[in-house]
Amino acid sequence: EVQLVQSGAEVKKPGESLKISCKTSGYSFSSYWIGWVRQVPGKGLEWIGIVYPGDSETRYSPSFQGHVTISADKSINTAYLQWSSLKASDTAMYYCARHLMSAGGSDYFYGLDVWGQGTTVTVSS
Amino acid sequence: IALTQSPDSLSLSPGERATLSCRASQSVGRNYIAWYQQKPGQVPRLLIYAASKRATGIPDRFRGSGSGPDFSLTISRLEPEDFAVYYCQQYDGSLFSFGPGTKVNVK
Repeated sequence: EVQLVQSGAEVKKPGESLKISCKTSGYSFSSYWIGWVRQVPGKGLEWIGIVYPGDSETRYSPSFQGHVTISADKSINTAYLQWSSLKASDTAMYYCARHLMSAGGSDYFYGLDVWGQGTTVTVSS
Repeated sequence: IALTQSPDSLSLSPGERATLSCRASQSVGRNYIAWYQQKPGQVPRLLIYAASKRATGIPDRFRGSGSGPDFSLTISRLEPEDFAVYYCQQYDGSLFSFGPGTKVNVK
């Protein structure tokens, strides 16, 4: 069974750094793109970016480029989302999700088929 | 590519038909459109990919259609468990974006 298990809720102050994780199992981690989606309380889904663990290629939404870093560690089948300096506006639920798309990224796209349970990030002074 | 969804919300009764619209700011190549359902407090669930293909385990009352910039999701007969928010998503071959969602309420 494919599973994505995310790290627990975080409470941080503005300006602090944070790295949340998404541990995967049940499939070949290196062979699938995996990414992150933000959901501010009461609002819609926002796509943040993705990483291909096979070669660590990353792609970011322009809205998040430069503010977050996505990475993956093939040795422990885990993807990460990190901030170097959090803002209050980063308060949200963050989901990781496997992206069913070709390795090169353009030959096919079959949706975000498996999601983690979500990590709540609260940034408040 | 930006996505808009209409209506913002829909009030229907169980058994009725729901038609949700998703419009892209430009043509979506290869019909790289997916639809997701999200219930309160739950993780989004993939319903449809490639505009019209149902994901594994999705009942056939869910039907996706469309091409170019215009896509739709139709729920033929609403079941009690179908009242939720529905999001469309596009992939332009490089980046993704979601629509703002349509909430299907019980009338």
